[in-house]
Amino acid sequence: EAQVTQNPRYLITVTGKKLTVTCSQNMNHEYMSWYRQDPGLGLRQIYYSMNVEVTDKGDVPEGYKVSRKEKRNFPLILESPSPNQTSLYFCASSFRREPLHFGNGTRLTVT
Amino acid sequence: GIQVEQSPPDLILQEGANSTLRCNFSDSVNNLQWFHQNPWGQLINLFYIPSGTKQNGRLSATTVATERYSLLYISSSQTTDSGVYFCAVAKATGANNLFFGTGTRLTVIP
Repeated sequence: EAQVTQNPRYLITVTGKKLTVTCSQNMNHEYMSWYRQDPGLGLRQIYYSMNVEVTDKGDVPEGYKVSRKEKRNFPLILESPSPNQTSLYFCASSFRREPLHFGNGTRLTVT
Repeated sequence: GIQVEQSPPDLILQEGANSTLRCNFSDSVNNLQWFHQNPWGQLINLFYIPSGTKQNGRLSATTVATERYSLLYISSSQTTDSGVYFCAVAKATGANNLFFGTGTRLTVIP
C-alpha cells in the first residue's frame, strides 16, 4: 500500500531533550516536506527536500533540522525542544506536478 | 509568501445539500491543491488542480488561474464529508513553498 509513515503518533517530552520524528514513504517520491499545524494558523511549512541531499527552509524552520540521506526517509530533528514547538506535525511527499500525500501526523507536547 | 483566503470559514449543512467553497490567492500560481482533514486529523488530497475543472464522484473543483481563485463543489453532502477543507497554492509546479489557507470547517448534520 502506498503511504507516508510517521512515527511516533504521539510524543510527550520535556524542554531541551533532543527528539527525532521519523518519516518514510514507499512511493519513490522526489519531494518530501514537513509541516506544523497550529489552531488559527493553519499548516505552515518547516523544511522541504527536492531530492536526496537537497533540503531547504520553509516558512518556520527555526529550532528544527532535517536530513535526506535516502530518498524514502526524511526525519525531523528537534535538537532542543521548547514549549512553543508543541504542535501537530505532518510529513508529506509527492512527485512534481502531482498531489501531495500526507502522513497521519505526530502530536508533540513539550513541557 | 502568497496569501490564501478561504470562505466561508464555517459551514453547516443538512445531509443531501450542495455547497461551494472558495479559495482566493494573491499571486499567480502553478500548483493548487485541495485537501480534506477529517475529524481524526488525517489530511487527504482531493484535487491537484492548478487550472481547469476536475470531478471525482460528488466532488468537483474549478480553478480560474487568471482570476486567482478556485472553487470546490460538494454535491449531495454526507456526514462523512464533515471536516476542514484546505486550499494550498505554490508558485512552483512542485509542492515546495506550498502555502495553505486557514480552511473551511464543514459540518454535515443528518
